[in-house]
Amino acid sequence: GALVYQYPRRTICKSGTSMRMECQAVGFQATSVAWYRQSPQKTFELIALSTVNSAIKYEQNFTQEKFPISHPNLSFSSMTVLNAYLEDRGLYLCGARARDRSNTEVFFGKGTRLTVV
Amino acid sequence: GDSVTQTEGQVALSEEDFLTIHCNYSASGYPALFWYVQYPGEGPQFLFRASRDKEKGSSRGFEATYDKGTTSFHLRKASVQESDSAVYYCALGGRGSALGRLHFGAGTQLIVIP
Repeated sequence: GALVYQYPRRTICKSGTSMRMECQAVGFQATSVAWYRQSPQKTFELIALSTVNSAIKYEQNFTQEKFPISHPNLSFSSMTVLNAYLEDRGLYLCGARARDRSNTEVFFGKGTRLTVV
Repeated sequence: GDSVTQTEGQVALSEEDFLTIHCNYSASGYPALFWYVQYPGEGPQFLFRASRDKEKGSSRGFEATYDKGTTSFHLRKASVQESDSAVYYCALGGRGSALGRLHFGAGTQLIVIP
């Protein structure tokens, strides 16, 4: 079956430091990967949509300078949160779209929970 | 812009009750519509999707019918169980290359009392 693994599951970083999170698609090829942040209030914010061989599109209020993303192949993506502060805390989710299905599902990993102290 | 509205923030039911969670959307054309379920400490799990008018999606006893006339995709289940307690999200996705870009509703927390 299609699975998306995210690593680490949770992390704590000091204010002003950076942390990197990874997303691995298993059992399918991911044509696109979307990174979301789920706030403590449970709302979802789309950070960026990354498609292999295309430019990464960041949403308003999110920038490459703050959330650089690497998507080198159809099974792996990583994102870094640079200079993390309290407002960056939340559950970071990776949603991968499967290549081999039409009008397809988007599968999510279990997320990386970021706590900033 | 595209958006999804879930009117119920929380629904509390007894086991074997009938469930309806309302979802209305705003978008042009025929967006893909999804239902996801999220358990504590987990990411959203895909339930099902529909992409054209009158199409019904279903999984695990849950179902919803795409209705372009009322711009709705209400989630229903005939008989809920305690294990169905979770947060349910309705989502809207674009087509083609934009499909990975989902707009989520605010979520509805379902509490099923045994």
